Amino acid sequence: GQNIDQPTEMTATEGAIVQINCTYQTSGFNGLFWYQQHAGEAPTFLSYNVLDGLEEKGRFSSFLSRSKGYSYLLLKELQMKDSASYLCAVRAPNDYKLSFGAGTTVTVRA
Amino acid sequence: NAGVTQTPKFRILKIGQSMTLQCAQDMNHNYMYWYRQDPGMGLKLIYYSVGAGITDKGEVPNGYNVSRSTTEDFPLRLELAAPSQTSVYFCASSTSAGGSEQFFGPGTRLTVL
Repeated sequence: GQNIDQPTEMTATEGAIVQINCTYQTSGFNGLFWYQQHAGEAPTFLSYNVLDGLEEKGRFSSFLSRSKGYSYLLLKELQMKDSASYLCAVRAPNDYKLSFGAGTTVTVRA
Repeated sequence: NAGVTQTPKFRILKIGQSMTLQCAQDMNHNYMYWYRQDPGMGLKLIYYSVGAGITDKGEVPNGYNVSRSTTEDFPLRLELAAPSQTSVYFCASSTSAGGSEQFFGPGTRLTVL
């Protein structure tokens, strides 16, 4: 089975940095995805990690440690439009299905 | 290129009624998925398909059925609607490549009263 944990809520100030952690205990691992979901909208893809290390994409970075079952999503230079839910999802080996965490709601304040 | 489309956007059903949620994609993706999302919860997989004519159950299939007669379409059927099926339903698609992301439709907000 898959057990994926994320904090429920985080609040940060515009221009600051926020780090969203995701820990997973799964029956196998073949990649970790981060999705962004604005209220009332569909999830959209942010990042994919399958090897250990940091992947940087503009203001967003994602880190993976497979040995620790741990990932984080780093949002830098926060903007009001970054207020959204951030979903961590894990894929098992030889599988294409994703198991999602409950999501972390980030609120950016002026 | 419309991506993944879903109809309807909103629907209210009475207990015991049936309906079909439509999903279509124009990206020639082999893999398609149906999820439900309850308030404050992550996405739960209902059914998925790896190609036309092939479907399988996900985590929460009870009360639902699917079919996949073409690559493009993947309708979800609710039989005998129950209040527990009140949720937002998302359809998604992806290629078969290892790191491929899933593309999501805009969702259908269903209320069963």
